[in-house]
Amino acid sequence: SQELEQSPQSLIVQEGKNLTINCTSSKTLYGLYWYKQKYGEGLIFLMMLQKGGEEKSHEKITAKLDEKKQQSSLHITASQPSHAGIYLCGAAPSGTYKYIFGTGTRLKVLA
Amino acid sequence: EPEVTQTPSHQVTQMGQEVILRCVPISNHLYFYWYRQILGQKVEFLVSFYNNEISEKSEIFDDQFSVERPDGSNFTLKIRSTKLEDSAMYFCASSLGANVLTFGAGSRLTVL
Repeated sequence: SQELEQSPQSLIVQEGKNLTINCTSSKTLYGLYWYKQKYGEGLIFLMMLQKGGEEKSHEKITAKLDEKKQQSSLHITASQPSHAGIYLCGAAPSGTYKYIFGTGTRLKVLA
Repeated sequence: EPEVTQTPSHQVTQMGQEVILRCVPISNHLYFYWYRQILGQKVEFLVSFYNNEISEKSEIFDDQFSVERPDGSNFTLKIRSTKLEDSAMYFCASSLGANVLTFGAGSRLTVL
C-alpha cells in the first residue's frame, strides 16, 4: 500500500524565516494535496498539484510536485505566527478514492 | 462558503456502548469519507462512500463499524460496541469528484 513520509516531523522557526517541508511517496504520485490542521481541528485545504513539475502559490506558500522523485515540497516564505499548525500531504492511489495522508509536520513560528 | 458539519463535537461513552457520529456533507458533493486521528498520530482513512454504497474501506473499518446515508443530507458513522482504542477524533469529509476533500471540524470520541 502507498505511504507518504513527511520531513521534518517538527519545525520551530523564528518569525520571518523561510522554511521547507517535504513529502515523499512510496509509490507513483497521481496528484498531491497539501492541507493544514490547527491543533485539535479539521483539515483545511491549501493546494492541489496534479502534474509533474507543477508549482502553485497562495500568499506566501508555494508547493511543487516532482513526479519522477515521487516527492512534493511546501515552501513558506517569511513565516508568520499564523502559519503555525500541522501540515499534511495527501494523495490517492490511482483509480481509488482511498485518500491517505502523510505523517504530518508540526510547525511552530516564534514571534 | 459551504462547509461540512459534524455532530457531536465531543462525545463521552462507556466501553461497549454504541455510538453514532453524524455528518452533513456539502450539498452537491457525491463522495463521502470518514477518517480517524488518534491523539498525536496520523490521520487514517476509514471508509469512502459513493452512490449509497461503500467504495473502499481500510483494515480498521471492521464489522464494528458501519456507515449510512439515511436521507439526502446526513452521513453517519456507527460504532456498535466501543472499545478504549476507539477513542480518537473522527473526521467526516466530502468531495464533488476525485479531487479536493472538504473536511468537517471533527467529533472527538472518548471511550471510558
